[in-house]
Amino acid sequence: GAVVSQHPSRVICKSGTSVKIECRSLDFQATTMFWYRQFPKQSLMLMATSNEGSKATYEQGVEKDKFLINHASLTLSTLTVTSAHPEDSSFYICSAKRQRGGIETQYFGPGTRLLVL
Amino acid sequence: GNSVTQMEGPVTLSEEAFLTINCTYTATGYPSLFWYVQYPGEGLQLLLKATKADDKGSNKGFEATYRKETTSFHLEKGSVQVSDSAVYFCALILTGGGNKLTFGTGTQLKVEL
Repeated sequence: GAVVSQHPSRVICKSGTSVKIECRSLDFQATTMFWYRQFPKQSLMLMATSNEGSKATYEQGVEKDKFLINHASLTLSTLTVTSAHPEDSSFYICSAKRQRGGIETQYFGPGTRLLVL
Repeated sequence: GNSVTQMEGPVTLSEEAFLTINCTYTATGYPSLFWYVQYPGEGLQLLLKATKADDKGSNKGFEATYRKETTSFHLEKGSVQVSDSAVYFCALILTGGGNKLTFGTGTQLKVEL
């Protein structure tokens, strides 16, 4: 089956620093990837849609200058949390869309837990 | 707006017990409905889906029927196993909604011997 990886799986950083999270589709090409955020005991909230070779589309209320997304290739999207603050601590999950035989399916990464001190 | 409501967990069952995890939704259009499962340390995996009213999705012994009249998509399994222990997410996508999934909060299932 299709595999999506995320790196790192867990990161702790100091307030004010930036953190980059990578999302890779390991065995398929993904022109579209999605970034989600999950708070404890809450839904996954879509933050943005990442399109290869173009700017990401952000959901309402998500600061694009704070959450920088770069979809540099068909297998890699990165999310950079800039000037992180404790309220940015969360679980970040990516997914990659694969198209095969006219059917689109989203495959999810295992998530990255961010803790900002 | 669109939303998905799931029963709160954790749900703890003995092996071979019957499982029901309730899911109801609100949507502005005609959604497709999904159940995803997340095993410890892994990504979300699509478990089953239904794209129109009265459709039944099934996989690995799990079933869910798209009930438009009650706006529900309850997940059921007749006999759970310890290996079914995971977090289960109900989700929807609106037709023409650009693959934007709306998730429920997830329900943790613990199956004990």
